[in-house]
This record gives sequence, C-alpha cells and structure tokens, in this order.
Amino acid sequence: RKEVEQDPGPFNVPEGATVAFNCTYSNSASQSFFWYRQDCRKEPKLLMSVYSSGNEDGRFTAQLNRASQYISLLIRDSKLSDSATYLCVVNQRDTGRRALTFGSGTRLQVQP
Amino acid sequence: DTAVSQTPKYLVTQMGNDKSIKCEQNLGHDTMYWYKQDSKKFLKIMFSYNNKELIINETVPNRFSPKSPDKAHLNLHINSLELGDSAVYFCASSQVPPGQGTYNEQFFGPGTRLTVL
Repeated sequence: RKEVEQDPGPFNVPEGATVAFNCTYSNSASQSFFWYRQDCRKEPKLLMSVYSSGNEDGRFTAQLNRASQYISLLIRDSKLSDSATYLCVVNQRDTGRRALTFGSGTRLQVQP
Repeated sequence: DTAVSQTPKYLVTQMGNDKSIKCEQNLGHDTMYWYKQDSKKFLKIMFSYNNKELIINETVPNRFSPKSPDKAHLNLHINSLELGDSAVYFCASSQVPPGQGTYNEQFFGPGTRLTVL
C-alpha cells in the first residue's frame, strides 16, 4: 500500500458543482496534513492545512478522519479557476526520510 | 518580491553533461528541499538541508550532489546527465524541518524544467 494515496482523476465537473476528494494514508503516526494546489506547469502552493476538528476556508472544507486514516477536501460552488491538481501531503513526527510525503494528486477540471 | 527563486527556469542539455541548478530563499527559513516531479506528476523529495546540514537524503543516484553554502541557498549539481533525469526540479523552503512544528508550510520555487537529449 502506498503511504499516501489519491484518486488521480480527472474529475470533470460543471461550474457551480460540489466536488469532494479523498486521500488515504498508511502511517497511523502521521501528525499533520495539508492540501496543496498545483496549476499546470506551476509550483505547488498551500491551499489549506487540515485540522483535527476540520476547517473551512470560504468554499473549501477540509476534514480529517484519524480512525479511517483519510483526509478529504470539499469544494462548493466550483469555479473555472478551481481547475488544478490537488495534492494531499502528510507530515509525520519523524525527522527521517519519511517525514513529508506527497500524494500523486487529483486533477480537477471545472467546465463552463 | 520572489520568496523562493530558482535558476535556470529551463535547461536543455545533452546526455553525459554536468549541470547545476541554483536556489535561493529570502524568507529567513532554516530548511530547504529539492524535489523531483516526473512526467507522471509525482512529486518526490530528494534532499533536505537544515541550517546547511543535510537531514534528508532519499535514494537518489550519487550523480546528484546538493550543496548549501548558507541557509538561504541550496544548489543541486548533477553529473553525467541521463535521459531519465528529465523532469521538473522544485526547490522549497520551510521555517523548520519536517516533523517539527505541526503546521509547517512549504514554499516552492517556480521549478526548473530539465530536458536531457
């Protein structure tokens, strides 16, 4: 099993739709979690951290389920500008090689 | 004012050549990284330095040698380039090393697109 797994997509949704991505992680010692966004031919940028109690930032909601070892990202009222690849990142309390692991990303295409 | 900068942005070279990529951050961060993103878009960590000291060294060929002259700079030198080295190389920085601090955002440079012919 991969350390961090994501459905690669693409998810093709119409403008205004609600879309959700999940990301599973294998190491129960994982400490902190993030969603990054990467536009085509650009660098990844932090979208939001994922807090234990869940958190919301405008149209974006992130949830953590430690029991089932997954995090989710919900995007409401999708905009064309949301089209990008969304990377799940898991950080462990371990300064060794496995401290920071990126998922392979889920591609979202919002269509007019 | 660019936080993490890399040069060059594009690099096209022949197999067997030696090349370097430079990275600088002006965020005052202690930790810097090199990542490789291949054609399948999978982002893999290669190296990490904290205050000029190597702290993460993934399984990469020893043709790749990072150098950190100070904590604001992390360069990557690649010897005897191979076709499989073609990828986008991202430099990144964070305030503290991974595993320290709960929400430790990484800031990425714009990437260097390396093509080996």
